[in-house]
Amino acid sequence: DTEVTQTPKHLVMGMTNKKSLKCEQHMGHRAMYWYKQKAKKPPELMFVYSYEKLSINESVPSRFSPECPNSSLLNLHLHALQPEDSALYLCASAYDGTVNTEAFFGQGTRLTVV
Amino acid sequence: QKEVEQNSGPLSVPEGAIASLNCTYSDRGSQSFFWYRQYSGKSPELIMFIYSNGDKEDGRFTAQLNKASQYVSLLIRDSQPSDSATYLCAVLTGNQFYFGTGTSLTVIP
Repeated sequence: DTEVTQTPKHLVMGMTNKKSLKCEQHMGHRAMYWYKQKAKKPPELMFVYSYEKLSINESVPSRFSPECPNSSLLNLHLHALQPEDSALYLCASAYDGTVNTEAFFGQGTRLTVV
Repeated sequence: QKEVEQNSGPLSVPEGAIASLNCTYSDRGSQSFFWYRQYSGKSPELIMFIYSNGDKEDGRFTAQLNKASQYVSLLIRDSQPSDSATYLCAVLTGNQFYFGTGTSLTVIP
């Protein structure tokens, strides 16, 4: 099983809403990532969790709040987003994010902020 | 600044030909190198990863790594129209993946 499952697949939210994105993997991977991707651009790293601890926060605004409840699950809590936050949000996981590790992406959540 | 450079293309090849995609990276400490294929509106799909100098083959795909030249490439043999997509090169440095801007490939039937 090389699957990273993201829910929901599509999300439309208003600027005053609070919503959460969910990511799950059962490959025993200990590094999990959130990326944001705009059209025709490469994925941009937002957060890295390593062994359930936040190891990298790429200067992401506080309206994005990550959470890693356990080694299989990664959430991204959204609050007071702006229209420019509309993008494809991708979760990825890797065995431990070091050498010789594969990294797999989920199918993404297409987020539209209205 | 960790840089990963790719020729953005578009690259067009006829069906059955070999498509050659190139990527250079700036950090000599980078450990592993990945090629992802991304169809429009979809998430990246891992094609291959390589971490040792030389070639790695998987079906119609061959990844080549030259750490001295800081260069990694992907060859696609017998290209098919279904190979038309954007190909992203990613480099693992520390525990972060850095992506190139992608190369758009079109395989012409």
